[in-house]
Amino acid sequence: DAKTTQPTSMDCAEGRAANLPCNHSTISGNEYVYWYRQIHSQGPQYIIHGLKNNETNEMASLIITEDRKSSTLILPHATLRDTAVYYCIVRVGPGYSSASKIIFGSGTRLSIRP
Amino acid sequence: DAGVTQSPTHLIKTRGQHVTLRCSPISGHKSVSWYQQVLGQGPQFIFQYYEKEERGRGNFPDRFSARQFPNYSSELNVNALLLGDSALYLCASSLVGPAIPSTDTQYFGPGTRLTVL
Repeated sequence: DAKTTQPTSMDCAEGRAANLPCNHSTISGNEYVYWYRQIHSQGPQYIIHGLKNNETNEMASLIITEDRKSSTLILPHATLRDTAVYYCIVRVGPGYSSASKIIFGSGTRLSIRP
Repeated sequence: DAGVTQSPTHLIKTRGQHVTLRCSPISGHKSVSWYQQVLGQGPQFIFQYYEKEERGRGNFPDRFSARQFPNYSSELNVNALLLGDSALYLCASSLVGPAIPSTDTQYFGPGTRLTVL
């Protein structure tokens, strides 16, 4: 079973920041938080991941709470092309035998309105 | 650089037939994983191969099998197709390895859409 809880759907105005929450209250100390998105009928696209520090890359920012029980993915200036299903995933880091299996939940369907 | 590639893009088969799906990982990646995504659901893990050995298997019947070749490409085989096997089949590659930290991020291909009639 997926170890995360996300809202089923959200919407955001184009040009505004989209903030997608994720709860992972049972996360273990060696588990990372990963975010992927999937645009209709395409393969999931990697966005960002982190362990306990906030992370930022060219696509998004990841804010992880101090207790690591929840996180927020931030798309700073949402565009229509950001409309997709966003998956929050927790998984063990590299070096573990089960590291490569990803357990997907239902994700959040993000709609960007003009 | 080329990403993960999969072939064919689409495939139509009838019940009872066999199908082979192919995947080429990102250059330098040694691990390939396969996922099945039924319409309306998130992807479900099927297999993971690393250095040509099976390293993980999801809850799928023995009709599903896979292998990895010396060049790290992979094939997923499904025998005795059922209507319920209709899905998007995704392949993901990663560097992975106990001595390579922070490189286990999986990158997905575009998928193969299989329709079983």
